[in-house]
Amino acid sequence: AQSVTQPDIHITVSEGASLELRCNYSYGATPYLFWYVQSPGQGLQLLLKYFSGDTLVQGIKGFEAEFKRSQSSFNLRKPSVHWSDAAEYFCAVAGITGTASKLTFGTGTRLQVTL
Amino acid sequence: EPEVTQTPSHQVTQMGQEVILRCVPISNHLYFYWYRQILGQKVEFLVSFYNNEISEKSEIFDDQFSVERPDGSNFTLKIRSTKLEDSAMYFCASSRNSGGETQYFGPGTRLLVL
Repeated sequence: AQSVTQPDIHITVSEGASLELRCNYSYGATPYLFWYVQSPGQGLQLLLKYFSGDTLVQGIKGFEAEFKRSQSSFNLRKPSVHWSDAAEYFCAVAGITGTASKLTFGTGTRLQVTL
Repeated sequence: EPEVTQTPSHQVTQMGQEVILRCVPISNHLYFYWYRQILGQKVEFLVSFYNNEISEKSEIFDDQFSVERPDGSNFTLKIRSTKLEDSAMYFCASSRNSGGETQYFGPGTRLLVL
């Protein structure tokens, strides 16, 4: 069964500092991996996704993530955090059974940004 | 940019009542999903729907839940007899294809069962 682990429940960084959010997955085949962001009271917005090819993927809002098969990881990074990045971040893996796929999410990492 | 919409944004109901949550997926999408997020917990898959039938459902999606695409635009989730533990944010999502195709999420319906 597929699963996602986000080991950090809560992270605080200073504005302008770099950020790395960790994600480890478990899936039997080549995974489809996603990072979504959820602002308070809002829905889920896709930041970036990995299907195949380049292991470093670029997303919106200056985020990037690197797929490392050997470590079963898909960590999210940003070189310089802005106060508006404060939100909850979810890593997800897509599994395909039947005719459709389903996303399995991690428990999320809440990012706090201090000024 | 096309987006998934959901109504209502909030719903309060009494335990045992039926609720219907409505979603309008992106128009050229073929796959539809419902997820839920209990307050403070992770987002959980409920059901996927394709070609007018359920593709997969989770163990959460028991007989009190049903989904329907009543017309060419709406996708609904019905909870027949709500329980306190059904209180959650319910997200609808849609995708153009299956596999690793991006699922686009709506803003959610917050359901409170009293």
